[in-house]
Amino acid sequence: KNQVEQSPQSLIILEGKNCTLQCNYTVSPFSNLRWYKQDTGRGPVSLTIMTFSENTKSNGRYTATLDADTKQSSLHITASQLSDSASYICVVSASGAGSYQLTFGKGTKLSVIP
Amino acid sequence: DVKVTQSSRYLVKRTGEKVFLECVQDMDHENMFWYRQDPGLGLRLIYFSYDVKMKEKGDIPEGYSVSREKKERFSLILESASTNQTSMYLCASSSGDRRGYTFGSGTRLTVV
Repeated sequence: KNQVEQSPQSLIILEGKNCTLQCNYTVSPFSNLRWYKQDTGRGPVSLTIMTFSENTKSNGRYTATLDADTKQSSLHITASQLSDSASYICVVSASGAGSYQLTFGKGTKLSVIP
Repeated sequence: DVKVTQSSRYLVKRTGEKVFLECVQDMDHENMFWYRQDPGLGLRLIYFSYDVKMKEKGDIPEGYSVSREKKERFSLILESASTNQTSMYLCASSSGDRRGYTFGSGTRLTVV
């Protein structure tokens, strides 16, 4: 069964500090991995998407890494801001005909405090 | 950028009412999806559609139906709303290669 596990479930950090969120997956055959940011009460917004051949992708202060061999990804946030407070969701897509569905992690809730 | 628009941010409906949630996308995407999101459970797929008038059940279709009469519009229907359908509903659309996968802003539905 395809699964995506995220850790930690929640995290509190001080403004200006860095943090790293983890994602482990067992989706096969792998197509791509996405990180989304979801503000409270809003829909998820895409941060990065990585395919098998990509092992790093940046979007401003967000840097995602992918190790397709160990089936792990991380999202690193640099110099956190209060606006980074949100849930971060890791989503993995399988390849192949008819693979319209994605496998979602349950998210990491990040709180950035002053 | 792809825009996925959900018609309502908040809805309050009574038990037994028929509820329509509308979703429109503006990028000619083939695939459209309806999810519900509940605390501790993450996003769960209700229905999806890969073409006009086509629909496929997701993981939790019970109590829901969908309609896709036009490519840009995908509607979720709660035939007889129940309190356990109180949730955040998210619509998404994607291109054929599934790289562009975009969510709407969500509809918070409360059934009383």
